[in-house]
Amino acid sequence: DIQMTQSPSSVSASVGDRVTITCRASQGINSWLAWYQQKPGKAPKLLIYAASTMQGGVPSRFSGSGSGTDFTLTISSLQPEDFATYYCQQSNSLPYTFGQGTKLDIK
Amino acid sequence: EAQLVQSGGDLVQPGGSLRLSCVVSGLTFSGYYMDWVRQAPGKGLEWLGHIRNKDHSYSTDYAACVKGRFTISRDDSKNSVFLEMNSLKIEDTAVYYCARVKGGRQGDLDYWGQGTLVTVSS
Repeated sequence: DIQMTQSPSSVSASVGDRVTITCRASQGINSWLAWYQQKPGKAPKLLIYAASTMQGGVPSRFSGSGSGTDFTLTISSLQPEDFATYYCQQSNSLPYTFGQGTKLDIK
Repeated sequence: EAQLVQSGGDLVQPGGSLRLSCVVSGLTFSGYYMDWVRQAPGKGLEWLGHIRNKDHSYSTDYAACVKGRFTISRDDSKNSVFLEMNSLKIEDTAVYYCARVKGGRQGDLDYWGQGTLVTVSS
C-alpha cells in the first residue's frame, strides 16, 4: 500500500497568515492526489484534485502543487472559516489511502 | 440540492452484522463510482472500498482490513449504495461515510453523505 505522510500534524496560525501543508507519498503517484477539508462533526469537503485543480466553489486562496511523491496545499491568507483539519488522499493505486491529517488551529 | 442521505448506523455486538444505506438525490448517480470511507473516533479518514458503474460491471475493490467481511452494492433504480458489514469487530467502530467519485476520476470524492455511526461493543 502507498503510505501518505502529512506534515506538520498540527499547526497554529493567525488570520491573514500564509500556511503550507505538505503531503509525501511512499512511491510515485503522478498527480493522483486530492486535498480535503474537514470541520468537527462534518463530512470532508473536496478542495483540490489532480494535485492542483481547484474544485468548483473553493476560494482562490487555496492552491495545490506537486507531482510524483511531494505535494503541497497552500492557503494564501487564512480566514476564520479555514481552521479545520486537512487530509490528502492518493488515488493512483488501490487501496486509495489518506494522509493522517493536519489540524490547523488559531494561534 | 445535492444530497447523500445515510442510514443504518447502530450499536452492534462483536461478530454481528449491519447494513448501511446511502440514497443520492439532486445528483446524477448511475454513471458514477461510489466509495465508502470511515473515521474512527478522534482518528483520520480510512478508505474502505468502492463500486464502479454499470459500464465497468459494477466491480468492487476493498481495503484489506474489510475485504471478505464487507460488501458494497448499489441499486441504480433507487439511486442507492449499500455497505453490508459482517463479522464486525470492536475496531470497526467509526463514523461511516458514503461519497461519490468525481466524474472521470478514480478516487476524488466530490459529494459526501452526512455520516452514520457504527458502534461495535458488547
